[in-house]
Amino acid sequence: EAGVAQSPRYKIIEKRQSVAFWCNPISGHATLYWYQQILGQGPKLLIQFQNNGVVDDSQLPKDRFSAERLKGVDSTLKIQPAKLEDSAVYLCASKSGQLNYGYTFGSGTRLTVV
Amino acid sequence: TQLLEQSPQFLSIQEGENLTVYCNSSSVFSSLQWYRQEPGEGPVLLVTVVTGGEVKKLKRLTFQFGDARKDSSLHITAAQPGDTGLYLCAGERGGGADGLTFGKGTHLIIQP
Repeated sequence: EAGVAQSPRYKIIEKRQSVAFWCNPISGHATLYWYQQILGQGPKLLIQFQNNGVVDDSQLPKDRFSAERLKGVDSTLKIQPAKLEDSAVYLCASKSGQLNYGYTFGSGTRLTVV
Repeated sequence: TQLLEQSPQFLSIQEGENLTVYCNSSSVFSSLQWYRQEPGEGPVLLVTVVTGGEVKKLKRLTFQFGDARKDSSLHITAAQPGDTGLYLCAGERGGGADGLTFGKGTHLIIQP
């Protein structure tokens, strides 16, 4: 089966600019997650969607980050305005509804804020 | 906030040696997963352990879940250069909000 698709792979922006990332999960996976991975650390959950509804956004910095999954398939994550500390890899993952199955991650978008 | 502590953070050993990576928490997780991540790629699932005391083997890799479901270990026998990578443990809370909590990872280098 096709994996989780993310774009772009790389993005360099200046601080205070805005940026958007796109994710297409595995077909049929109802649950979608966005993670932030800062260099040298493990991924940190930002937001979880179940179909087109938000299940958990407790760690999303809502003053500058937003995410949507309007039709329950693709998702976008936006940062506006970006700060230097937002430099990280943004990973999208989707999960099968079957018990004890792991998550499938995309290759991520590497964001550099200068 | 649930935390997962991984140790060691860095490990460099010679080909053929054995090693163990540890993942510890004060919290109980419904499952614990181990991932391997290559540079420029997302984490790839190696194994999921669910039952306290469970042991799973994947070729030369042995995974164990603690009896209290708070800790886990990954043991690699006769390490090979192809095992080089970042190993991440991640705990799943269970229920609807089941996003993973990751440790910081163990950077493993196997020298030929």
